[in-house]
Amino acid sequence: QQQVKQSPQSLIVQKGGISIINCAYENTAFDYFPWYQQFPGKGPALLIAIRPDVSEKKEGRFTISFNKSAKQFSLHIMDSQPGDSATYFCAAKLGLSGAGSYQLTFGKGTKLSVIP
Amino acid sequence: NAGVTQTPKFRVLKTGQSMTLLCAQDMNHEYMYWYRQDPGMGLRLIHYSVGEGTTAKGEVPDGYNVSRLKKQNFLLGLESAAPSQTSVYFCASSYSTGGLNTEAFFGQGTRLTVV
Repeated sequence: QQQVKQSPQSLIVQKGGISIINCAYENTAFDYFPWYQQFPGKGPALLIAIRPDVSEKKEGRFTISFNKSAKQFSLHIMDSQPGDSATYFCAAKLGLSGAGSYQLTFGKGTKLSVIP
Repeated sequence: NAGVTQTPKFRVLKTGQSMTLLCAQDMNHEYMYWYRQDPGMGLRLIHYSVGEGTTAKGEVPDGYNVSRLKKQNFLLGLESAAPSQTSVYFCASSYSTGGLNTEAFFGQGTRLTVV
């Protein structure tokens, strides 16, 4: 089974600070790397995603940094706000030609708490 | 716009009982998925479907069955519930697994407790 390893398991950041969550993968056939945000009692929702042909993608305060050679990618949340407090999941999907290409493989999640 | 709707939202079962979880999507998505979420384990794929009438096993399929008789509905069945199936179950759907429309839309979840 393909694996995506996510760290840290939990993170506490002060308001206005930078939150950084890291993920590492093993299979170089992954071609799509989304981050999902989940609030308590809700389903996960897509936050931002990147493909391996770019090294960085930014949407507002959220940035994905991608290091293809190291097989790592990370989520940076700038100017973190209490409303960002949620669980964040990284994920990866195989390319269309790969077996199991319909599946997203998720990391185990990071619970982010942003304190005022 | 309802998106992905799961019923029921909560359920308590006794060991050995059976039940069916219903997922309905109104986005005309081809692909649908069932995941389970357990503390510290992330989301793990149980079964998925790439179209009406087709289903396939995911990472943790044992003890579950699924059916996709209509494009908009994806049913997850537990024939004989076990305490190990206590979890939060999420249904998701997506347009495609490639191109730009790869986003999976999730339902609100079903919290199942097996006693």
